[in-house]
Amino acid sequence: SAVISQKPSRDICQRGTSLTIQCQVDSQVTMMFWYRQQPGQSLTLIATANQGSEATYESGFVIDKFPISRPNLTFSTLTVSNMSPEDSSIYLCSVPEGTRGDGYTFGSGTRLTVV
Amino acid sequence: GENVEQHPSTLSVQEGDSAVIKCTYSDSASNYFPWYKQELGKRPQLIIDIRSNVGEKKDQRIAVTLNKTAKHFSLHITETQPEDSAVYFCAASRGGSQGNLIFGKGTKLSVKP
Repeated sequence: SAVISQKPSRDICQRGTSLTIQCQVDSQVTMMFWYRQQPGQSLTLIATANQGSEATYESGFVIDKFPISRPNLTFSTLTVSNMSPEDSSIYLCSVPEGTRGDGYTFGSGTRLTVV
Repeated sequence: GENVEQHPSTLSVQEGDSAVIKCTYSDSASNYFPWYKQELGKRPQLIIDIRSNVGEKKDQRIAVTLNKTAKHFSLHITETQPEDSAVYFCAASRGGSQGNLIFGKGTKLSVKP
């Protein structure tokens, strides 16, 4: 299965600042997904990162707040911009496995605390 | 929009008993249904999955059943052990096998020794 390296694992940030989260996959994947998991909650899809085109955002998430880069088929970044305490969450990237997308692998997550 | 409902939100069983978690989905195009186990402070881990052309799949003590007509699927854990204690999430694919996943709200399973 794919191995995902996600950085940073955690951070404490001041409100109003931005944090960029990176995900590196050990194989080429067409799509990467970014999820948010608020404390004690389920996983909510933020956006789909497509190589060579703009990311596709879910309802409630906008590019100005969560800009995404996907420069190649093994790497993506998610930036959380102009942070507020409400952005405190775990952020995870995910990729489908295999040609049929059998199984989805998650990165280890970034635990973000905004103070 | 697409939605996945999961029940119950919490489940407590005695060690050795069985546990059943149920999910329903709304997107008729969904064809892939994974189950994830998430232990405290860790990433979700895929434990079993099923595709829409299969009605049941089993892996040792874990099984998943799918009723595509009724749009519901269930996770069955037999002979539960304390290490099965975790939060379990069901999910349904959106738009095909390479589509993204819509998750249920999770079930906190506690297995008492």
